[in-house]
Amino acid sequence: DTAVSQTPKYLVTQMGNDKSIKCEQNLGHDTMYWYKQDSKKFLKIMFSYNNKELIINETVPNRFSPKSPDKAHLNLHINSLELGDSAVYFCASSWLAGGKNEQFFGPGTRLTVL
Amino acid sequence: ELKVEQNPLFLSMQEGKNYTIYCNYSTTSDRLYWYRQDPGKSLESLFVLLSNGAVKQEGRLMASLDTKARLSTLHITAAVHDLSATYFCAVFMDSNYQLIWGAGTKLIIKP
Repeated sequence: DTAVSQTPKYLVTQMGNDKSIKCEQNLGHDTMYWYKQDSKKFLKIMFSYNNKELIINETVPNRFSPKSPDKAHLNLHINSLELGDSAVYFCASSWLAGGKNEQFFGPGTRLTVL
Repeated sequence: ELKVEQNPLFLSMQEGKNYTIYCNYSTTSDRLYWYRQDPGKSLESLFVLLSNGAVKQEGRLMASLDTKARLSTLHITAAVHDLSATYFCAVFMDSNYQLIWGAGTKLIIKP
């Protein structure tokens, strides 16, 4: 029944490692997003895909690479992790073509870089 | 560039009181969203306001949108402890399909 799911929920890793976070939505939405929420709770959009096409690509280090194999999945790969990457990463999805564009969020992945 | 400002950023209040959170934004938009986030949890959609004068109510929460003033309010009536959370407003930018988020209002309601 989970609408937007992410794995893993927690990720603890060393600086310099490469890691991936996976996201899946079963809402039939056409658009998916990655957000970063820092320790002060500020939400920053990172990427968005509409029907597997990249439509939002904010200023993030190119160590971050999104991949959308199909409309229901949007994964985030991070190379050479740094301390400043520690944050909660949220995946979200919406029906952009429908006009309302209400975004539904996954449970979040808490990334800790040591 | 669209900026979204919420105030207050922190609000501590007693149960039973009324209060309002304000969300101002800097350029034209007619779509505004309110979300709730509990500590350590995800964001939950509360209200979607899609036109000038839109008003939505759910329980003790009521949200309104004035697109001419570029202002939305989230009004809490007779607050209860369960409403303690961080509340975010977000405004839709047609030009690049983004939601621009406010910084959030941390609401603590004391019994």
